[in-house]
Amino acid sequence: DAEITQSPRHKITETGRQVTLACHQTWNHNNMFWYRQDLGHGLRLIHYSYGVQDTNKGEVSDGYSVSRSNTEDLPLTLESAASSQTSVYFCASSEHPRAEQYFGPGTRLTVT
Amino acid sequence: RKEVEQDPGPFNVPEGATVAFNCTYSNSASQSFFWYRQDCRKEPKLLMSVYSSGNEDGRFTAQLNRASQYISLLIRDSKLSDSATYLCVVNEMDFGNEKLTFGTGTRLTIIP
Repeated sequence: DAEITQSPRHKITETGRQVTLACHQTWNHNNMFWYRQDLGHGLRLIHYSYGVQDTNKGEVSDGYSVSRSNTEDLPLTLESAASSQTSVYFCASSEHPRAEQYFGPGTRLTVT
Repeated sequence: RKEVEQDPGPFNVPEGATVAFNCTYSNSASQSFFWYRQDCRKEPKLLMSVYSSGNEDGRFTAQLNRASQYISLLIRDSKLSDSATYLCVVNEMDFGNEKLTFGTGTRLTIIP
């Protein structure tokens, strides 16, 4: 069965460190998305990609970057982790930008 | 004004009752609408798409009102397992790119 996975599932890091969260999907979807979810804010879009070599900024992209070198993976990098980036991060993919998205299980990141 | 607005609740409803949520959206050009369900500390999962003519899936009914720009979700004969947060999702344009915008969710608790 096709799926979308994220790793690690939990991460504790220190302020200022670079952190990369992995997202891998076997749906063969062109579209992939990264969200963060915090109490009171719901899901907020960080970055998204419509295909290999394509990346776009979402509403909360500052301090994050992504790269898309193949269809299956969209890693999210925090260049210099800050305590404000403590959150739950979800990766998602879809067949079409307007279509339903399928989510990974999430990564719980704590920046101390 | 938020692009997608939901009553955060919580809605505390006795088992077996009928409960309805509404969600308003601001972009009259939106064409894709969904309801997602999210359990505590889990990823959002697609509950159902919302079609123009309204649609039903078992105990769940979704409706779209384009004139007033809202979608609704009706749950009949509610079960304890229906306790979750329900997210309203609408597609929008973002600097020429299409994306989905998620509401902050309506929390539902079914009481035995």
